Amino acid sequence: LAKTTQPISMDSYEGQEVNITCSHNNIATNDYITWYQQFPSQGPRFIIQGYKTKVTNEVASLFIPADRKSSTLSLPRVSLSDTAVYYCLVGVGNSGNTPLVFGKGTRLSVIA
Amino acid sequence: DTAVSQTPKYLVTQMGNDKSIKCEQNLGHDTMYWYKQDSKKFLKIMFSYNNKELIINETVPNRFSPKSPDKAHLNLHINSLELGDSAVYFCASTPGLAHNEQFFGPGTRLTVL
Repeated sequence: LAKTTQPISMDSYEGQEVNITCSHNNIATNDYITWYQQFPSQGPRFIIQGYKTKVTNEVASLFIPADRKSSTLSLPRVSLSDTAVYYCLVGVGNSGNTPLVFGKGTRLSVIA
Repeated sequence: DTAVSQTPKYLVTQMGNDKSIKCEQNLGHDTMYWYKQDSKKFLKIMFSYNNKELIINETVPNRFSPKSPDKAHLNLHINSLELGDSAVYFCASTPGLAHNEQFFGPGTRLTVL
């Protein structure tokens, strides 16, 4: 199973762009990269998923370099409500027999 | 309508008791999961079912027994509860076996005294 490494915590001011980088040096050829957000006392919520290059949705962008050994979640113009824990996961996109592994996540604190 | 629901939301019980947590999803998904999140916030998968069939069992004590009466429900029964079982338990579902977007329930906070 590909292991992921993320910063334990980050602080940001409101309105800034936040970039959270995840390292996954042992990513396999058919692994996808997925990011989840978790607020206190709630279940994780899917943010974005990608395989290579760049993916963008209404919430975030995901940048994946050619070697796919890392990825960066970009949150544009964060607000106080973006304070949460962000998890980077790496797993197989077409087989459910191997479990996804949630790492320790990155605790993002947005300050007014 | 709640996509993935769990009951109860809170559960406080004594050591040695047996308890169950229920999960239901109304998304028509084929695959359901149970996760445990401990006090250090590590989120670990426990079980996964696909169309009522167990496909993932992650080194969980056999005091934990999942049951899937149909693909919309995945219940978790815990026998002889121990202090270390105190955690938040999350149910989740996905459309199929692919690790695409998982929809999580609100969690059940279990406290064993």
